[in-house]
Amino acid sequence: DAGVIQSPRHEVTEMGQEVTLRCKPISGHNSLFWYRQTMMRGLELLIYFNNNVPIDDSGMPEDRFSAKMPNASFSTLKIQPSEPRDSAVYFCASSGLGGGANYGYTFGSGTRLTVV
Amino acid sequence: KNEVEQSPQNLTAQEGEFITINCSYSVGISALHWLQQHPGGGIVSLFMLSSGKKKHGRLIATINIQEKHSSLHITASHPRDSAVYICAVGLNNNDMRFGAGTRLTVKP
Repeated sequence: DAGVIQSPRHEVTEMGQEVTLRCKPISGHNSLFWYRQTMMRGLELLIYFNNNVPIDDSGMPEDRFSAKMPNASFSTLKIQPSEPRDSAVYFCASSGLGGGANYGYTFGSGTRLTVV
Repeated sequence: KNEVEQSPQNLTAQEGEFITINCSYSVGISALHWLQQHPGGGIVSLFMLSSGKKKHGRLIATINIQEKHSSLHITASHPRDSAVYICAVGLNNNDMRFGAGTRLTVKP
């Protein structure tokens, strides 16, 4: 298995532009998580899905952020419009065995977003 | 007060030393995770545990549910163990809380 695949690895965009981050979870995993990591705040859970359904999006910072999981093998995190304070590394992770944060995780390599 | 506290924040050791990183939490949890983040940024899940002890190679993780405390031990440390180690707790509602991390540097 290739693991959790995120794209792009790096993204540089101008303020105000739309940004879409992509994630392919491990096949068979039924939970998917989006995290943001910054120097100031560390790792933060943004949203997670169980069986493609968003369970908790209370970590999403504001309405500019949205996430979708149209099927079991693909998820997107969209920021529109982007702002410089959105600059961070965004990680996707997936887990199986019934799902949820209480089962082993596999993380993607992350997307480093820079908004200028 | 953070819900997940790690100590120490930074740790420097000589190759071969036994290392302990501590994690205390103040919320009810279903599981506790230890994560490793290398300088390149990738995150690896080392352990997930809800009771007792787990061992993988030179790494040992323990948890005491009553005391709300977990430790990560590294035996015979090596420079390649240099990384940030993050404690994370899974809450009963499947949410996660993260510690600030412990930056470990192992010198040859």
